[in-house]
Amino acid sequence: DIQMTQSPSSLSASVGDRVTITCRASQSISSYLNWYQQKPGKAPKVLMSAASSLQSGVPSRFSGSGSGTDFTLSISSLQPEDFATYFCQQSYSIPWTFGQGTKVEVK
Amino acid sequence: QVQLQESGPGLVKPSETLSLTCTVSGGSISSYSWSWIRQPPGKGLEWIGYIDNSGSTKYTPSLKSRVTISVDTSKNQFSLKLSSVTAADTAVYFCARVSFWSGNYIIDYWGQGTLVTVSP
Repeated sequence: DIQMTQSPSSLSASVGDRVTITCRASQSISSYLNWYQQKPGKAPKVLMSAASSLQSGVPSRFSGSGSGTDFTLSISSLQPEDFATYFCQQSYSIPWTFGQGTKVEVK
Repeated sequence: QVQLQESGPGLVKPSETLSLTCTVSGGSISSYSWSWIRQPPGKGLEWIGYIDNSGSTKYTPSLKSRVTISVDTSKNQFSLKLSSVTAADTAVYFCARVSFWSGNYIIDYWGQGTLVTVSP
């Protein structure tokens, strides 16, 4: 199985801050990397596919980059609705696997 | 707008079979692949498996011997069966749609999730 490791596991930030989350794969996954946002008690919502392709309806303050083994999700100016947990997920090979999550909390 | 809704028992006894159904509305189940994902309380996401529009299935190896995913196109539903459950199978179970987007599979629509507790 491909292991996905996110860092940090949690971070504290303020509204307006730039936030960057890193996801590392245990082997190359090309650009088969998706990002999801999950709020407490809710299902995850897909933000980004193929490492850097913004899903319809997702604000442009979200951006993604990377290929191979190292990927980042950035939020250019954190908004109140962005406090949530973010997961990366590889779809390169079965079984699809998720990172452990990064919780973005209010500073 | 596609909507998914899980249904099934919220409590299952150890060694028994967990059975969940996902009802899809707002679109045909025949055109996509469908997946189950679970999340133990306070933990991360675990992909269980999927069934594609030809009926072919893929499962995560750690659960493969206990899992069956099937589709009932006449009811626009798909199902999950997990046998011989233990407390470690206690989780919120999500059903979801899988789409092919920019040359990549994504999980783009999710049910709200249902908590299944394994306890005597």
